[in-house]
Amino acid sequence: AQSVTQLDSQVPVFEEAPVELRCNYSSSVSVYLFWYVQYPNQGLQLLLKYLSGSTLVKGINGFEAEFNKSQTSFHLRKPSVHISDTAEYFCAVSGRNNDMRFGAGTRLTVKP
Amino acid sequence: DTAVSQTPKYLVTQMGNDKSIKCEQNLGHDTMYWYKQDSKKFLKIMFSYNNKELIINETVPNRFSPKSPDKAHLNLHINSLELGDSAVYFCASSQGTGSYGYTFGSGTRLTVV
Repeated sequence: AQSVTQLDSQVPVFEEAPVELRCNYSSSVSVYLFWYVQYPNQGLQLLLKYLSGSTLVKGINGFEAEFNKSQTSFHLRKPSVHISDTAEYFCAVSGRNNDMRFGAGTRLTVKP
Repeated sequence: DTAVSQTPKYLVTQMGNDKSIKCEQNLGHDTMYWYKQDSKKFLKIMFSYNNKELIINETVPNRFSPKSPDKAHLNLHINSLELGDSAVYFCASSQGTGSYGYTFGSGTRLTVV
């Protein structure tokens, strides 16, 4: 079965600074990789996904992620964050059996 | 138009009661899920239904029983509620193998007192 580890539980950053949220996955088969964002008191919203092809994936709100098969990583990046990016971010992995597993989440706090 | 809607949004109830949470999706997806999010934000899959058929049933107490009357609805019934059941419960849906990702509802915050 696949699993996901998010390496940072909290990431504080100043507004307009770059940010990277780290995610490693474990699986014995080909997987799909996702990043979701959860704003306070809301459900999860899909930011971006990697299925195949180009290893650099662009998503909504200026986020991008890079799939690295040799390091089994799928880190999320944004070159310049805004206050409104403050939220919980979840990395997730899914095989071909509709069984999506989530990481423990990274709390991104953007400070003015 | 809400794609995945859950009701109620908040549910406060006493220990020992039985309660239900309803979920409906209007996306035409063929698979629906229930996830539990605990106080530390950890998300755990509970159940998955594909075209009304149970395909994932994680280790959850048998006090939890999902019911899918049709592929657009997946309800969650909980018997004999316990304090540890307090959490946010999310319904989600997807199409096919899930490669397009899941669409989540806004959650139901269950508080057992």
